[in-house]
Amino acid sequence: KNEVEQSPQNLTAQEGEFITINCSYSVGISALHWLQQHPGGGIVSLFMLSSGKKKHGRLIATINIQEKHSSLHITASHPRDSAVYICAVLSGGGADGLTFGKGTHLIIQP
Amino acid sequence: KAGVTQTPRYLIKTRGQQVTLSCSPISGHRSVSWYQQTPGQGLQFLFEYFSETQRNKGNFPGRFSGRQFSNSRSEMNVSTLELGDSALYLCASSESTADYEQYFGPGTRLTVT
Repeated sequence: KNEVEQSPQNLTAQEGEFITINCSYSVGISALHWLQQHPGGGIVSLFMLSSGKKKHGRLIATINIQEKHSSLHITASHPRDSAVYICAVLSGGGADGLTFGKGTHLIIQP
Repeated sequence: KAGVTQTPRYLIKTRGQQVTLSCSPISGHRSVSWYQQTPGQGLQFLFEYFSETQRNKGNFPGRFSGRQFSNSRSEMNVSTLELGDSALYLCASSESTADYEQYFGPGTRLTVT
C-alpha cells in the first residue's frame, strides 16, 4: 500500500508570497492528483499529472517520478487561496483507488 | 453541464440503523468513486463503479456496499451503523476509470448518534 506524506501540515503566509507544498509517496504510481478543499467540504481537482509539470493560472504542479515527489506552487498568493490542499496518488493499477495525504492547511493573511 | 450532485446533504441516524446515500455523476461520466472523510483518518477510498460493475474496493467492512445503475447514478449503503461511521461521504465522477480527472460532489455529512 502506498504511503503518502505531505509537508508542511500547516502553513500561514502573507498575501503575495510564493507558496510551496510538498508530497512524497513510497510506491510507483500511474497518476498523482492535487485537490483543494474549502471549509464546508467541497473538493476541487486542481491537477492530475503523471510526469513533468502543469500550470493553471497562478498554480504550478510538478512531479519527479524517480524521486517519488511532487510539489504544488502558488505564485502571488491571495487570501482566497486559503484552503486545505490534498495530494492523492493512484497506484497498483488502481486496485486500491486513490490514496490520500493528510492535507496541508494553508492560510493566506491579507 | 451540471456538476456532481449528492443527496441528502445532511443526515442524522441512530446506531444500528442503515442508510442509503445517492450520487448523480456529471452527464456522460461512467465512473463513480466513493470516499469517506473523517478528522482522524482523513480521506479514504471506499469503492469505484464503472458501467454498473464494482471495479475496486477499499479496506472497509462488508457493512459498506454500493451499486451503480444503468444511467451511471450510484448509491452506497451502510448497514448496522456505528458511531465511527460519522463522516463526510464524498462521491466523484470521471469520464472513464478513476485514472481520469475526478469531479467531486459536495458530500453527504452523516452523523450517527
